[in-house]
Amino acid sequence: DAKTTQPPSMDCAEGRAANLPCNHSTISGNEYVYWYRQIHSQGPQYIIHGLKNNETNEMASLIITEDRKSSTLILPHATLRDTAVYYCIVRRYSGGSNYKLTFGKGTLLTVNP
Amino acid sequence: GAVVSQHPSRVICKSGTSVKIECRSLDFQATTMFWYRQFPKQSLMLMATSNEGSKATYEQGVEKDKFLINHASLTLSTLTVTSAHPEDSSFYICSAGQGEESGYTFGSGTRLTVV
Repeated sequence: DAKTTQPPSMDCAEGRAANLPCNHSTISGNEYVYWYRQIHSQGPQYIIHGLKNNETNEMASLIITEDRKSSTLILPHATLRDTAVYYCIVRRYSGGSNYKLTFGKGTLLTVNP
Repeated sequence: GAVVSQHPSRVICKSGTSVKIECRSLDFQATTMFWYRQFPKQSLMLMATSNEGSKATYEQGVEKDKFLINHASLTLSTLTVTSAHPEDSSFYICSAGQGEESGYTFGSGTRLTVV
């Protein structure tokens, strides 16, 4: 069961890059890393996911270490609206053709003006 | 992008009654849907995984007779909280998967208050 470890909270200045770390040292070779964020009282919002290679989309970049035991989510230019709880999740195989996402406690990112 | 609609967004019900929450994938077919529950200041807790046309798989400790899940079509899953009690008051969130290589889209959640 690949669990993740994230710092409980981080601060970032508006306009600067936010780098959110995640440890997943027990990840298996075919397990994806997913990142979501949740703003208070809303459903989680998908950010990005990856397996081995670094990934980038319009929201963020995902850097996965070569041994895949950790990853970093990068928000290149944080804004006040990026204040949220960020969850790093290892998608776990649950049998048949099923997978599931199990949420940890996440990191509360606060972007300050 | 993929959209998951969840209804209702808020519901207040009396203790002992049942409440049904709907989760629809609007622009894609979801072979798998997930139901989560979130208490204040806590993370999301996976309750069950539902596959279209088959019985849901419940997580350990989740009462399947209390939380009835139906996934009758590729675009609709429902969660019915039966004989609701105040301790069932929570934020219920559904999620739908598009396939192994894709992301999972979450609904906006349902705030259930049992009085």
